[in-house]
Amino acid sequence: QKEVEQNSGPLSVPEGAIASLNCTYSDRGSQSFFWYRQYSGKSPELIMFIYSNGDKEDGRFTAQLNKASQYVSLLIRDSQPSDSATYLCAAATGGFKTIFGAGTRLFVKA
Amino acid sequence: GAVVSQHPSWVICKSGTSVKIECRSLDFQATTMFWYRQFPKQSLMLMATSNEGSKATYEQGVEKDKFLINHASLTLSTLTVTSAHPEDSSFYICSARAYLVVKYNEQFFGPGTRLTVL
Repeated sequence: QKEVEQNSGPLSVPEGAIASLNCTYSDRGSQSFFWYRQYSGKSPELIMFIYSNGDKEDGRFTAQLNKASQYVSLLIRDSQPSDSATYLCAAATGGFKTIFGAGTRLFVKA
Repeated sequence: GAVVSQHPSWVICKSGTSVKIECRSLDFQATTMFWYRQFPKQSLMLMATSNEGSKATYEQGVEKDKFLINHASLTLSTLTVTSAHPEDSSFYICSARAYLVVKYNEQFFGPGTRLTVL
């Protein structure tokens, strides 16, 4: 069973801090990795994707990938209350299937 | 770009009726569309994968005769919940993968349809 594991949280950080979200995946054939943000009652919104080992930065967000450890992370700098949401990690193979994690709930305290 | 719409955004129906949900890619062609279901405070559950012009592939445990999927064009897929029952009440979300942008397998999600069956 191919899986993507995330800590369900909630992860609580103060406003302005760095939020660190982690994810591990079981399928070594996974090639692309995604972070989605989902607000309560809304559908997921793509934040970032990464496919090479190392870091990828986009504004306040940095995705990190370590294929040897089968580990993906998302760092959110200068966290804002509006970042409070559930963050879904997903891994895709070269085929059609994308496996989603159950999500980590992030709460940013004002 | 990469906008996906769903219609309706919410629907309330009586038990035993059928409900059709439309998923459209507005500014790109989608060779593959996915249908998910999400119960409150639970993760996304993939129901089926829909490829344009061919039959949908259903995940284990999803009744294909109850959840009818049609992907008639590169911009439209429909999900019909037949003979809906209260346990089918859920948040149904579609996503689309852009034609020619398959290298990274990005999926773009529609806003979702909240179905309530009385």
